[in-house]
Amino acid sequence: QKEVEQDPGPLSVPEGAIVSLNCTYSNSAFQYFMWYRQYSRKGPELLMYTYSSGNKEDGRFTAQVDKSSKYISLFIRDSQPSDSATYLCAANGGSQGNLIFGKGTKLSVKP
Amino acid sequence: EAQVTQNPRYLITVTGKKLTVTCSQNMNHEYMSWYRQDPGLGLRQIYYSMNVEVTDKGDVPEGYKVSRKEKRNFPLILESPSPNQTSLYFCASSLYRGSRETQYFGPGTRLLVL
Repeated sequence: QKEVEQDPGPLSVPEGAIVSLNCTYSNSAFQYFMWYRQYSRKGPELLMYTYSSGNKEDGRFTAQVDKSSKYISLFIRDSQPSDSATYLCAANGGSQGNLIFGKGTKLSVKP
Repeated sequence: EAQVTQNPRYLITVTGKKLTVTCSQNMNHEYMSWYRQDPGLGLRQIYYSMNVEVTDKGDVPEGYKVSRKEKRNFPLILESPSPNQTSLYFCASSLYRGSRETQYFGPGTRLLVL
C-alpha cells in the first residue's frame, strides 16, 4: 500500500462550485501535510501546508487534516477556470523524512 | 528571480546512449532531489542530495546516477537509457531536508527513449 493515496479523478466542476479534494495516508508518523498545484507542462508549486491536525485557510483555499482518520482535504471555494490543474497532496514525518506524494487529482473548472 | 532550471526541456534519444539532464538552482539551497512523474504512478523520488558530495537513493534509483560537486548543480545521469525510463523528470530544491521547507520544482524534462 502506497503511503499516501489520492483519487486521480479527473474531476470536472462548473465555475463557482465548491471543490473538495481528498487524500488518505497510512503512516502515523506523518506530521506535515502539503498541497501542491501543477499546471499543465509546469512543475508543481506549493499551495498550502499544515502541521498535524486542524484547518488552515488562505483566500479561497482551505486545507484540513484529520489525524485520527488519517485524512487530508483541500477545499476550493468559488472555483475559477484558472484553478484547473492537477493537485497533489504530500506528507512527511519530520526533518529527516522525504516528502511522499499522492498521485494527484486532475481538476477542470468549466466556465 | 529564485528558480530551478533544467536542461534540456525535451529530449529524444535511443536505447543505450548516455545522457545527462542538468539542474541548477540559484537559491543557495542545500537539499536537491530528482523525481520522475508517470501517468497513474505520480511523483516518485529517484535520488536526493542533502549537501555537496552527499547523495542518497530515493524510491526508484535503478538506472540513474547523480553527482553533487557544487551546491547549485545536481545533474541526473542515465548511463544506458532504456525505454522504461521514458518519463517526465523534475528537479527540486529546498533550503534543508525539512518538513516545512517549500520544495521548488524545475519546469520538467520530457524524455523519450526509443
